[in-house]
Amino acid sequence: DVKVTQSSRYLVKRTGEKVFLECVQDMDHENMFWYRQDPGLGLRLIYFSYDVKMKEKGDIPEGYSVSREKKERFSLILESASTNQTSMYLCASSADVINQPQHFGDGTRLSIL
Amino acid sequence: TQLLEQSPQFLSIQEGENLTVYCNSSSVFSSLQWYRQEPGEGPVLLVTVVTGGEVKKLKRLTFQFGDARKDSSLHITAAQPGDTGLYLCAGPEPGGYQKVTFGTGTKLQVIP
Repeated sequence: DVKVTQSSRYLVKRTGEKVFLECVQDMDHENMFWYRQDPGLGLRLIYFSYDVKMKEKGDIPEGYSVSREKKERFSLILESASTNQTSMYLCASSADVINQPQHFGDGTRLSIL
Repeated sequence: TQLLEQSPQFLSIQEGENLTVYCNSSSVFSSLQWYRQEPGEGPVLLVTVVTGGEVKKLKRLTFQFGDARKDSSLHITAAQPGDTGLYLCAGPEPGGYQKVTFGTGTKLQVIP
């Protein structure tokens, strides 16, 4: 079974801090994704990566950056955290960007105070 | 603008009841996926429908893809507390974009 592991289930940070969210997958998938999930808004794509060192902006990339130095690891970075970035963050991986299912981690609930 | 609209947004029913949730779009999708997300976990794929008019069954869950491939439904027969969760539809974004779009979800609570 595919396993996608997010480093933290809960995280509390302060406004202005640089925040790193880590995600690791064990199925050698080319594609990895970062979403945020907010009530009533569903899942919104922040960034995705289709290969090592490659990245593409999603629908809401502002205030975020990503890093993919190794195939199995995809990091989401909040350069200067703000309170409107308080949310549930979900990482996913898949064998194909659109034609294969996405396998999700259990999420990181991030609070910015 | 939301490409995939789900209804209802919330549903609270008694154990044993039947229910249907809907996923609608004004755009044609090449396929649609249904995921279930249980509290405290990430979404998990239930099924993918590909052909217009297709019906797929997963135990008490029946999924249908509309003939015109613009909508899909999920029907649950004799709901159980274990069906509680957030149901999400998703599909490849029309127009050749290489990404998947998700609906806003239906939050289902089945009361014992």
